[in-house]
Amino acid sequence: SQQGEEDPQALSIQEGENATMNCSYKTSINNLQWYRQNSGRGLVHLILIRSNEREKHSGRLRVTLDTSKKSSSLLITASRAADTASYFCATDATGNTGKLIFGQGTTLQVKP
Amino acid sequence: DGGITQSPKYLFRKEGQNVTLSCEQNLNHDAMYWYRQDPGQGLRLIYYSQIVNDFQKGDIAEGYSVSREKKESFPLTVTSAQKNPTAFYLCASSITGGFGANVLTFGAGSRLTVL
Repeated sequence: SQQGEEDPQALSIQEGENATMNCSYKTSINNLQWYRQNSGRGLVHLILIRSNEREKHSGRLRVTLDTSKKSSSLLITASRAADTASYFCATDATGNTGKLIFGQGTTLQVKP
Repeated sequence: DGGITQSPKYLFRKEGQNVTLSCEQNLNHDAMYWYRQDPGQGLRLIYYSQIVNDFQKGDIAEGYSVSREKKESFPLTVTSAQKNPTAFYLCASSITGGFGANVLTFGAGSRLTVL
């Protein structure tokens, strides 16, 4: 069962622009995480936001969480060509055993 | 360097054959996971293990089997019962598989193609 749905599925921007990706989920969560995947590679953890947090920053990344709307957004500011990758949200559902459920992902292309 | 090693990176299999994908970690993590990824899709959980000698089915366990005899190792066998095994397989681990912030560390993946 896929917990998260991401929007848009694909995004193409110019270098220097900001990129925003959204994630919606269905059940109560302990935390929500964002991961990045370069083509043909494993995923890399970017940032985690807990259910009692509303916003978190890490470098050029800004994540928001709205538990009332069951949604999160990932903002990448001043994007670079090296940010080209797929980005996935993953939810750790309340009452779950700790396993993460991943969304379908957003493919980001940053043009130089 | 600490990390997760998956092997082989590429694997070809004839229909009807079982294959085993290796996953080894030296991070001293308790929990390990296997995910399947199809082109343009998200990750779907196959099996996970929170402790040695124990594992649970994920969302798509049919046609797969695992073992967890050692903390460091969590091999996945794709059996002939798996109807559509061609996919990218990702192994991951986390410090704890229980309640809490289980951040996953992933291996580089194994791409299985059935001929």
